[in-house]
Formats: sequence, structure tokens, C-alpha cells
Amino acid sequence: GQSLEQPSEVTAVEGAIVQINCTYQTSGFYGLSWYQQHDGGAPTFLSYNGLDGLEETGRFSSFLSRSDSYGYLLLQELQMKDSASYFCAVRSRDSNYQLIWGAGTKLIIKP
Amino acid sequence: DVKVTQSSRYLVKRTGEKVFLECVQDMDHENMFWYRQDPGLGLRLIYFSYDVKMKEKGDIPEGYSVSREKKERFSLILESASTNQTSMYLCASSKGLAGSTDTQYFGPGTRLTVL
Repeated sequence: GQSLEQPSEVTAVEGAIVQINCTYQTSGFYGLSWYQQHDGGAPTFLSYNGLDGLEETGRFSSFLSRSDSYGYLLLQELQMKDSASYFCAVRSRDSNYQLIWGAGTKLIIKP
Repeated sequence: DVKVTQSSRYLVKRTGEKVFLECVQDMDHENMFWYRQDPGLGLRLIYFSYDVKMKEKGDIPEGYSVSREKKERFSLILESASTNQTSMYLCASSKGLAGSTDTQYFGPGTRLTVL
């Protein structure tokens, strides 16, 4: 079967750096995506990793290790507006190349 | 900007009623999706569609059906609503490009309560 695991909640301080981990089990892995969802809002795309390594987009970076079935989202210089839920999602042959979503990580930022 | 709209933000229905949730996208996307989102469970795919009149079951299709008569519109139908279908329903669309991230763009969601 397929599964994704990510922490349910992470707390960090404004201005700090936080890492949200995601481990997955699937066959025929294709890529790992990250989405952000503010309370009451729609998920929005943040980042995608199809190959091993780090992808950087401004204050956000995402990393993938296919051999470890592991990825993370790194948020730097945290701002209060980054308070949201973050979802990892895997696309694989097992899922007919549709996204399988983690349960989400609620990021709480304290001043 | 891609815009995905859903017909209602909030909906209250009674058990046994037939419920229609409408979704429209304005970017000529090939793919459209219906998810439900429940606390602690993430997003679960109900149905998706690659093209007009085509539909594929997702992970939890039981109790639901869909219709895609036009490329821009994807409807979710609850034939006989039940209380366990109380949830947030999210519609999404994507270009459908093979070998790419195929980013999904979401509508604002419909919070359905079945009494």
C-alpha cells in the first residue's frame, strides 16, 4: 500500500528556521509536492521534487532523497503569515500518477 | 491567474437528499479533481477526469458520482446524502502535462453539512 507520514504539528518562533519532514511508502515513485493551506483557504502549490536534492524558491526550500523515501520542506526567516498547514503529496505509479496526500502539518508561529 | 470556482461555500442538506456540487475552471485545463478533506486525514481523492465525459474513480468513490459534460465544468453528485458525507469538498484542476509537476489549482471549497 501507499502511505505518507508527516508531523501533525510544529511550533516555531518568528524569524527562525523550521523543517517539516515527510516520509513515504509507495511503488513507482514519481515526485513529491508540497502545498500550503491557510485556515479557511484552499491549498496552494509550493514546491516539487522529482529528483534527489534541494529545490529553492525564495524563503522556502524542499529536499528529496528517493533512496530514503524522505523529503522535507524548509522555511526560513519565518513570518507570522507562514502560519498554515503544510501538506506533502506523492505521485506514483501505484496511485495511477494521481496525488496521494499526507495528513498535513500545522505550523504554529509564535512572536 | 488560474481561477477555480465552486458553486457554494456552505451547504446544509438533509439525509437522503440528492446533492450537486459544481466546479468551474477558466484555464482550459484537461484534468479536474474532486477531493474531500477531513481533519487528520488530509485530502482524499473521490473522482477525477482527464477529459470531457471521462471519469476515473479515486480512493473513496462510494456514495458519489461525477459528471463532466463540458471541459470547464466538473460536477460532484451525492445521490443520497448521508451524515458521514459531512465534510469539506475541494475541487481542483491541472493542465495534465505528462512528465511535469502538473500543479493542481484548487477552488475555495464547499463545506457540506448533512443533517
